[in-house]
Amino acid sequence: DAKTTQPPSMDCAEGRAANLPCNHSTISGNEYVYWYRQIHSQGPQYIIHGLKNNETNEMASLIITEDRKSSTLILPHATLRDTAVYYCIVRPANAGGTSYGKLTFGQGTILTVHP
Amino acid sequence: KAGVTQTPRYLIKTRGQQVTLSCSPISGHRSVSWYQQTPGQGLQFLFEYFSETQRNKGNFPGRFSGRQFSNSRSEMNVSTLELGDSALYLCASSTVPGQGSQYFGPGTRLLVL
Repeated sequence: DAKTTQPPSMDCAEGRAANLPCNHSTISGNEYVYWYRQIHSQGPQYIIHGLKNNETNEMASLIITEDRKSSTLILPHATLRDTAVYYCIVRPANAGGTSYGKLTFGQGTILTVHP
Repeated sequence: KAGVTQTPRYLIKTRGQQVTLSCSPISGHRSVSWYQQTPGQGLQFLFEYFSETQRNKGNFPGRFSGRQFSNSRSEMNVSTLELGDSALYLCASSTVPGQGSQYFGPGTRLLVL
């Protein structure tokens, strides 16, 4: 799986957009970008994923650059409950072999939303 | 639809004992993966099961084992517990094997004394 690089921490004011960057310069053509978050002491929560087009769901938007070497997760109106560790993961959608069923989590970005 | 459930939520054991943790996936999900989370190593993949067969295994010693039942429920077992096995154990389910969109349970927090 391609490696990802994320800033260790970010701050955001409540009600503002939170833009979380992820660098994945070695991404392969068949690899998707996945985002998860983990609120303290809970299991990780799937947020969104995409291949090359921008994606949006009820939780967030995912913007992937044209060269696919980086992406940004956008929480449009951050709330205090969005304070969490956000993980960017790159892997094939249905991975086989040694990647079968495996998500490789890095250190993620600690997002703190302030009142 | 009910989410992934894990039992027990908390567990205290002593060194040398063994432990069995249980995971019930989301209804209709047939693939279950297990992860260990510690402050030092972060989230690490243990193994993944589909159709009662282990399809992938992470880099953990043989003391860590698992199985899946015909109703897709899964158990993991750790034998001869060590202090370093203290961790949050998470299971995740998905509709198809190998899928990147996985849905996690709340975890079982194991403390080994």
